Amino acid sequence: AQSVTQLGSHVSVSEGALVLLRCNYSSSVPPYLFWYVQYPNQGLQLLLKYTSAATLVKGINGFEAEFKKSETSFHLTKPSAHMSDAAEYFCAVSDQGGSEKLVFGKGTKLTVNP
Amino acid sequence: DADVTQTPRNRITKTGKRIMLECSQTKGHDRMYWYRQDPGLGLRLIYYSFDVKDINKGEISDGYSVSRQAQAKFSLSLESAIPNQTALYFCATSDSNRVWNEQYFGPGTRLTVT
Repeated sequence: AQSVTQLGSHVSVSEGALVLLRCNYSSSVPPYLFWYVQYPNQGLQLLLKYTSAATLVKGINGFEAEFKKSETSFHLTKPSAHMSDAAEYFCAVSDQGGSEKLVFGKGTKLTVNP
Repeated sequence: DADVTQTPRNRITKTGKRIMLECSQTKGHDRMYWYRQDPGLGLRLIYYSFDVKDINKGEISDGYSVSRQAQAKFSLSLESAIPNQTALYFCATSDSNRVWNEQYFGPGTRLTVT
């Protein structure tokens, strides 16, 4: 069975600092991996996805994530945080074997301090 | 106009009442999903449907039922609401023609059961 672990339910950074949100996955087959963002009082929006085409994936709003098979990780980064990045971020995994279901992590709430 | 809409956006109901949450989509996707979100628990899958004649239970289906009235409509019902069903509910859609099951989310329905 697939699972996702997001380390840190809350992360706080200063504006302009590096953002690093951690995601580790467990999957018995090659995975598809996703990061979603949820702004306050809104639904989830896809930030980026890994579909095996490239290990470094660039998403919207300056975010990127790197797939590391040896570490079973898909951490999300942004070089310089902006106040507008304050949101909750969810990592999700789907297997390539056709189960067509997403399994979500519990989320990491990002706070950006001025 | 939003591609995935949910009605109502907010609802307060009493214990024991029947309530229906509705989801409509204009994306032309064949697959639809219902999730609930609770603080610190991420998103958990309640039910999913891969086409009009296909309904499947997710990890937390007890106390819920669904109806897929058309390809574009997927309703979630609570036959007899209880307080621990207070949560944020999301509908999502995906396209079976896309290999990696990217899901698109509605804005959510905040349900409070008193």
